[in-house]
Amino acid sequence: ELKVEQNPLFLSMQEGKNYTIYCNYSTTSDRLYWYRQDPGKSLESLFVLLSNGAVKQEGRLMASLDTKARLSTLHITAAVHDLSATYFCAVTPSGAGSYQLTFGKGTKLSVIP
Amino acid sequence: DTGVSQNPRHKITKRGQNVTFRCDPISEHNRLYWYRQTLGQGPEFLTYFQNEAQLEKSRLLSDRFSAERPKGSFSTLEIQRTEQGDSAMYLCASSFSGTSGSTDTQYFGPGTRLTVL
Repeated sequence: ELKVEQNPLFLSMQEGKNYTIYCNYSTTSDRLYWYRQDPGKSLESLFVLLSNGAVKQEGRLMASLDTKARLSTLHITAAVHDLSATYFCAVTPSGAGSYQLTFGKGTKLSVIP
Repeated sequence: DTGVSQNPRHKITKRGQNVTFRCDPISEHNRLYWYRQTLGQGPEFLTYFQNEAQLEKSRLLSDRFSAERPKGSFSTLEIQRTEQGDSAMYLCASSFSGTSGSTDTQYFGPGTRLTVL
């Protein structure tokens, strides 16, 4: 059974600081996704990572993937209040025929002035 | 707006009643998914359609749950004899996969929040 673990689950950080969210998964995977969810809202797609060493960046967020370590990171640079949200990583298992996403529990990020 | 839409957005029902939710995917997307999310947790997969065929079902999908996607367009999720444990946000997502190298990114709708009293 594919399991996805994120840490930390809660993160309070000051504006302007840097931090990293970690996502570990238990079996080989074809794709890893990062999503953002604001309170009471649905999920917004941020990044999809398809291969070992993949790195994607958008604004102050950068995601990377190490398939050998089964680890993805989401790095936040110079945080601003607008980044406050819950961030989820999600993984699809390797092999044809299964497209379900298995999500981590999410990391609730609060950026404080 | 061409995003995923879901109706209703909120549903309050009494235990034992049946409820039905609707999802309209992004028009060119051939895959449609249902997930359930409870407070403080990530979404959990329920079922998946490719066009009109239901190809995967989670063990979470008990015999009280049924999903359809007639003609490969919109989908409905019905819960019969609702229980308090069914209270959750029900999320629909859609994706397109038709060419090699497709990311198959799932785009989520706003969800239907179900409260069972």
